[in-house]
Formats: sequence, structure tokens, C-alpha cells
Amino acid sequence: IAGITQAPTSQILAAGRRMTLRCTQDMRHNAMYWYRQDLGLGLRLIHYSNTAGTTGKGEVPDGYSVSRANTDDFPLTLASAVPSQTSVYFCASSESEGQPQHFGDGTRLSIL
Amino acid sequence: GESVGLHLPTLSVQEGDNSIINCAYSNSASDYFIWYKQESGKGPQFIIDIRSNMDKRQGQRVTVLLNKTVKHLSLQIAATQPGDSAVYFCAETKGSNYKLTFGKGTLLTVNP
Repeated sequence: IAGITQAPTSQILAAGRRMTLRCTQDMRHNAMYWYRQDLGLGLRLIHYSNTAGTTGKGEVPDGYSVSRANTDDFPLTLASAVPSQTSVYFCASSESEGQPQHFGDGTRLSIL
Repeated sequence: GESVGLHLPTLSVQEGDNSIINCAYSNSASDYFIWYKQESGKGPQFIIDIRSNMDKRQGQRVTVLLNKTVKHLSLQIAATQPGDSAVYFCAETKGSNYKLTFGKGTLLTVNP
């Protein structure tokens, strides 16, 4: 089934460690996005990419970095994890701007 | 920045009844709106979208109404079923913008 695959599904991580969340889509969508979802705060955009080779900052980019080497993959890296980054992380993609975004099932990340 | 909000955080209905979930938005420049459904442990799932040149759009058992005068969006679910129990989010953006702004969500509970 076409869609978005995120890995890992969950992870417990010690503070200060580096972590990369993986996201792959097979829909050949141009745009990809990373969100974090926290209780009471809803979904907040971390970083996005309009097309392969370009990235942009969202609402809460600090402490995160992304790369978009090709159309299908959009990894999110936490260079030095902190407890406030404990959250559920969702990757999404859309064909272009003004089109609905389609989401993966998330990575549940706990930073201790 | 401007944000999308919801009138009710929870809604409980009887199976077979119609459900109405409301959303207020404050950015008058927004011209594209989406409703998502999120089940426990899953990512948001696209339900239906509407552009600002329309005031109503229908899908399978769902209808979205847009009132630009009062900046209000609603999702109507006909003959609500237990499988409709989930959190429902509205999201808005300006069509040329890749970034969606999400509301906090409404929890819909369907009682058998």
C-alpha cells in the first residue's frame, strides 16, 4: 500500500544522544514535512521541504535538522536530545502546495 | 501568529445520529481548509478539504461547510458509527503556502 513509512515506531533515548528519525514516501510527492504532536499543543511544524534539495524552517525548528537528498526520503535529526523533545513525531507529504498532506503513523520518542 | 481553534474539545453522540464538529479560524487570508481524523496510535488521516471559493463540499457521509463571513468551518458526519470515534482536526493555509496550521482537535465519542 502506497504511503509514508516512519522508523522507528518508538524509541527511548538518553539526553545528549544523537537520534535520526527516518521517513520514506512512495507517492513521489514533492513536499515533505515533520511535525511534533504534544498534548494540548496540537501538531506543530518543525521543518518542511518543498522539493528535493530544499528545506525550510517551521514553527519549532530549534534543536532539529533535516535533509532532502532525494524525493522519497526526509530524515529528521536531533543532534543532542533534550527531555523537552519528548513527543510524537509525524512525517507527512503532499503532491504540492495547496494539496492535502498525508501522514505516517508516527514515532513515539521519549528522552530521559 | 494566527491560529485555528475549536469550539468544543469533546463531543459525545449516539450511534446513528449526525455529528457536527466546529472550527473557528482567524486568518482571513486562508483559502484552503482540511479536516483530518486521528485514531489512537495512528497518524492524522485526510477526510475532506475545501477551498475558499466554495461554501460546501460533500464526501462519503461527510460534509464540510465554510462560512467565510464569520470565519467558521464545520464537519458534519451523517449516521455516525463507532468507527468514527477519534480526534478530529481542522487545518488551514493559504493556497500558495506549504504550511498548515492545525487546530487543537475535538474528541468524538460514539456511544452504541
